[in-house]
Amino acid sequence: EAQVTQNPRYLITVTGKKLTVTCSQNMNHEYMSWYRQDPGLGLRQIYYSMNVEVTDKGDVPEGYKVSRKEKRNFPLILESPSPNQTSLYFCASSSAGTGGYEQYFGPGTRLTVT
Amino acid sequence: GEDVEQSLFLSVREGDSSVINCTYTDSSSTYLYWYKQEPGAGLQLLTYIFSNMDMKQDQRLTVLLNKKDKHLSLRIADTQTGDSAIYFCAELYGNNRLAFGKGNQVVVIP
Repeated sequence: EAQVTQNPRYLITVTGKKLTVTCSQNMNHEYMSWYRQDPGLGLRQIYYSMNVEVTDKGDVPEGYKVSRKEKRNFPLILESPSPNQTSLYFCASSSAGTGGYEQYFGPGTRLTVT
Repeated sequence: GEDVEQSLFLSVREGDSSVINCTYTDSSSTYLYWYKQEPGAGLQLLTYIFSNMDMKQDQRLTVLLNKKDKHLSLRIADTQTGDSAIYFCAELYGNNRLAFGKGNQVVVIP
């Protein structure tokens, strides 16, 4: 089954404790992306990757890191989480290019930073 | 990033039609999308429209695009309780990037 998986689905952590949210897709997609969803703000892009070893900042990259060592994986790293990073995070993937390719979304990771 | 505007809440009776509106900023956007988010789930693509089209119909869904006013709408005919969700419009820009609206919560009343 074609899918994007994220782990963990729920995470409660404390300020400053490094964490990683994993994202994996099995569709051989070149493009992967991370979004955060906050009430009243919709989805905002954090980072995206056009292919292996190619990453770029989205609209709200501060406090986040990503890596793309393999095509299928695109982990999101919070080196020193802060309470304002409490949010619902989505990973997405699609074929690359300028066509109307569907972005497939993972189920989301709800992160709480206390 | 681009700025996509949506109203926030709509309630509709089962069987009626519902219309969700969206305005976008980038006149060069080639594709515009409607995504649906059910409670506790990720976003699912409902439909999309290419910028050279004015209208697209897909079963109960009708998308209207007014490029002059940069206005996009989604009409759901015969709304069902399973249509209760948050609906996001999005425009494609840059390298496969999507700019999303803030979402419109649709509540279907039985």
